Amino acid sequence: DQQVKQNSPSLSVQEGRISILNCDYTNSMFDYFLWYKKYPAEGPTFLISISSIKDKNEDGRFTVFLNKSAKHLSLHIVPSQPGDSAVYFCAASAASGTYKYIFGTGTRLKVLA
Amino acid sequence: ETGVTQTPRHLVMGMTNKKSLKCEQHLGHNAMYWYKQSAKKPLELMFVYSLEERVENNSVPSRFSPECPNSSHLFLHLHTLQPEDSALYLCASSQHSDGELFFGEGSRLTVL
Repeated sequence: DQQVKQNSPSLSVQEGRISILNCDYTNSMFDYFLWYKKYPAEGPTFLISISSIKDKNEDGRFTVFLNKSAKHLSLHIVPSQPGDSAVYFCAASAASGTYKYIFGTGTRLKVLA
Repeated sequence: ETGVTQTPRHLVMGMTNKKSLKCEQHLGHNAMYWYKQSAKKPLELMFVYSLEERVENNSVPSRFSPECPNSSHLFLHLHTLQPEDSALYLCASSQHSDGELFFGEGSRLTVL
């Protein structure tokens, strides 16, 4: 059973508009969440994270929102740029010291010029 | 060199071959990981080493054998693999057990 789900395999957005990528999780013990971006032929790169003590974290054009009661997080990119076209993975971990990050299957974002 | 580097980037092997994947991190981190990425599946954690000791082994078949000779190097030895083992194998490192992961570019493995 997948503990971290990204139900949209792909998303297309016009340049300049907002991109919203969603992630749902089932394990209420998860307390730290991360987003990674992956270009073809490259490894995933860290984008932004959020701890369960917060409900929002912002870094430039990227904002992550956490809704603990719904076990849902989302990544907002605004304004979207063609260079943002990539696969986005969300990941979650429960309790420090475990070294275990559970990843979703990813959402492929395409930003149209 | 900076970051996490993996070699080879591409590997094709037969089911009876023995090969190894190599990972090196130049970040001074104390934990290293092997992940497997198959098509349309989440990244799967295979092994974790912290300070050169294995702390996680996620029910991986014995045909995959990790080795961590020091905190900067990690190997994945491959022996008698199956075609379903074809995937992208990603190495990562982190400073702490709950620190962000820094990934290498991956080794694309094809088993014939």
